[in-house]
Amino acid sequence: AQSVTQLGSHVSVSEGALVLLRCNYSSSVPPYLFWYVQYPNQGLQLLLKYTSAATLVKGINGFEAEFKKSETSFHLTKPSAHMSDAAEYFCAVSDLQNQGGKLIFGQGTELSVKP
Amino acid sequence: DTGVSQDPRHKITKRGQNVTFRCDPISEHNRLYWYRQTLGQGPEFLTYFQNEAQLEKSRLLSDRFSAERPKGSFSTLEIQRTEQGDSAMYLCASSLAGGDTEAFFGQGTRLTVV
Repeated sequence: AQSVTQLGSHVSVSEGALVLLRCNYSSSVPPYLFWYVQYPNQGLQLLLKYTSAATLVKGINGFEAEFKKSETSFHLTKPSAHMSDAAEYFCAVSDLQNQGGKLIFGQGTELSVKP
Repeated sequence: DTGVSQDPRHKITKRGQNVTFRCDPISEHNRLYWYRQTLGQGPEFLTYFQNEAQLEKSRLLSDRFSAERPKGSFSTLEIQRTEQGDSAMYLCASSLAGGDTEAFFGQGTRLTVV
């Protein structure tokens, strides 16, 4: 079965500092991986996705993630945090085994940005 | 198209009552998903449709939950005899077919059972 683990339920950074949110996955088939962001009382918005093309994926709002098969990781980074980046971030894997495309989410990481 | 819309945004109900939520997906999307999200957790898959066919239902889903997607357009999720443990955010998402396609999420319906 596929699964996702996000290390750290809460990350706090200063404005302008590097953002690093960790995600490790488990999958018996080559995965499709996603990062979503959720603002309070809102739905989820896609930041970026990996679908077996380039291993370094660039997304919206300056975020990027690198797929590392050897480490089964898909960590999300941003060189310089902005106050508006404060939100909940979810890593997800697409359930390809059932061909349905449903997403299996990690438990989320709340990002706080200090001025 | 304005994206995925869900109605209502908030619902407070007494334990034992039935509730129904509606989701209108992006019009050209043939897949529609329902997820449930509790505080501090990631969304958990409930069920999904391809067009009007309900193709998968989570084993965690109680028999009190039922979903429909008549004519492959909007979908409804009904919870019968609500329990306090049903309190959560119910999220709807839609997408085109394919495991690598982006799922677009609605803003969710927050259910509180008192």
